[in-house]
Amino acid sequence: DAGVIQSPRHEVTEMGQEVTLRCKPISGHDYLFWYRQTMMRGLELLIYFNNNVPIDDSGMPEDRFSAKMPNASFSTLKIQPSEPRDSAVYFCASSFGTGGYNQPQHFGDGTRLSIL
Amino acid sequence: AQTVTQSQPEMSVQEAETVTLSCTYDTSESDYYLFWYKQPPSRQMILVIRQEAYKQQNATENRFSVNFQKAAKSFSLKISDSQLGDAAMYFCAYRSGRGAQKLVFGQGTRLTINP
Repeated sequence: DAGVIQSPRHEVTEMGQEVTLRCKPISGHDYLFWYRQTMMRGLELLIYFNNNVPIDDSGMPEDRFSAKMPNASFSTLKIQPSEPRDSAVYFCASSFGTGGYNQPQHFGDGTRLSIL
Repeated sequence: AQTVTQSQPEMSVQEAETVTLSCTYDTSESDYYLFWYKQPPSRQMILVIRQEAYKQQNATENRFSVNFQKAAKSFSLKISDSQLGDAAMYFCAYRSGRGAQKLVFGQGTRLTINP
C-alpha cells in the first residue's frame, strides 16, 4: 500500500513568494495532520483535519499560513508571503481514528522548505 | 496542556549492546497513548512502538520494548542487540485518548551506534 505522499520533497524559494505544499493521505484515513520541524521548536502541530474539516488550527503561526482539504485524498499547506523564518521541514501525517479505532499516525517523507 | 520531556539529547551505544532512552510526560488524563518514533537521516518518521495507557503490560516489538510506569509518568524505550541501522533521532510522543488526536512530541534523543 502507498504511504502518505508529500510533494515537493525540497523547495527553495525567495522571501515573499507563495509556497504550496501538497499531501496525499493514505486511502481510508479520516484524519490528516500538518507538522513543522525546526531545530529550535522541534516537531509541532500546525493544523489537523477530520473528514476534510479543520478541527484544530491553533498551531498555525499566523495569517500567512493557510491549509485546505478539498477532498479525502488531498490537502495543501500554503504560505503567502513566505519569510526566511518559515524555513523548516513540513510533515503531513494521516491516521484512521473514527469509531474508536485509535490507529497511529503515518508520516510522509516531509518537505524541506528553504526561504532565502 | 500535555508536555513530553526527553532528558537525553544524545546517547551512544556499542553495536550489539542494549540502550535505554528516557521519556517522561505530564498529563492529567487517564486515557492516552504513547509512541516512540524513529527519524533516520533520511528524515522519515517511522513508528517504532506504541503503548495504550490502560494496558499494564509493556509493549514489545522484536528488539524494541518499553518500560511504561504510569504512576511515574515514565515511558522509556529499550533497544536490545543494537544494530547500525538503529542510529537515528528517537522521539517520544503523547496522544490523548479522547478528543484531540494530535501528537505532542518530546525534543528527541540522537542515538549513535558505535561499531
